Amino acid sequence: DTGVSQNPRHKITKRGQNVTFRCDPISEHNRLYWYRQTLGQGPEFLTYFQNEAQLEKSRLLSDRFSAERPKGSFSTLEIQRTEQGDSAMYLCASSYTGKGNTEAFFGQGTRLTVV
Amino acid sequence: GESVGLHLPTLSVQEGDNSIINCAYSNSASDYFIWYKQESGKGPQFIIDIRSNMDKRQGQRVTVLLNKTVKHLSLQIAATQPGDSAVYFCAEKGNNAGNMLTFGGGTRLMVKP
Repeated sequence: DTGVSQNPRHKITKRGQNVTFRCDPISEHNRLYWYRQTLGQGPEFLTYFQNEAQLEKSRLLSDRFSAERPKGSFSTLEIQRTEQGDSAMYLCASSYTGKGNTEAFFGQGTRLTVV
Repeated sequence: GESVGLHLPTLSVQEGDNSIINCAYSNSASDYFIWYKQESGKGPQFIIDIRSNMDKRQGQRVTVLLNKTVKHLSLQIAATQPGDSAVYFCAEKGNNAGNMLTFGGGTRLMVKP
């Protein structure tokens, strides 16, 4: 499977705990995006990386959220001190910006439930 | 703020009929639009895209129409099949260097056999 891979697919955690999600983009893609999607809504942009550099963060990304892409390949999204409002689907997407821009391909997402 | 929205939250069609899903956008600077299909428990799947210098683009069984005058986007699915049942999102890329997308709220397409 050469698509975008996200792990875990589901995560249930208690309020106050920290969680970390992983995204493996399509191998030649230099851009990686994180989005959040709540039930019945479209995905909302959180942050993106060009190679290993984090170039933009949304206002949705509070101080409890941190994302990394240390080697320009896989990325992690960590949420500290989770709150019930963090419950959502966290989607990762990747794209290539070589010869013009390509569309972003999404992974299956990680569904987070904070209880 | 500027946003992308959809006219209808749910669309029910008979198998074999054509489907039309509509979307209104408000950012006149947007230069790229995409339709995604999302099945339950899965991530959005790219269907078709269109750049702002075009008004129509066709794919296999799908056509996207762009009317920049009224800021309207539509997705037409020919001979709708049960496998087309999903939530459809339009997304736009505005004036941003990172190609981040702004999504609408989605339309659920239900295909009756």
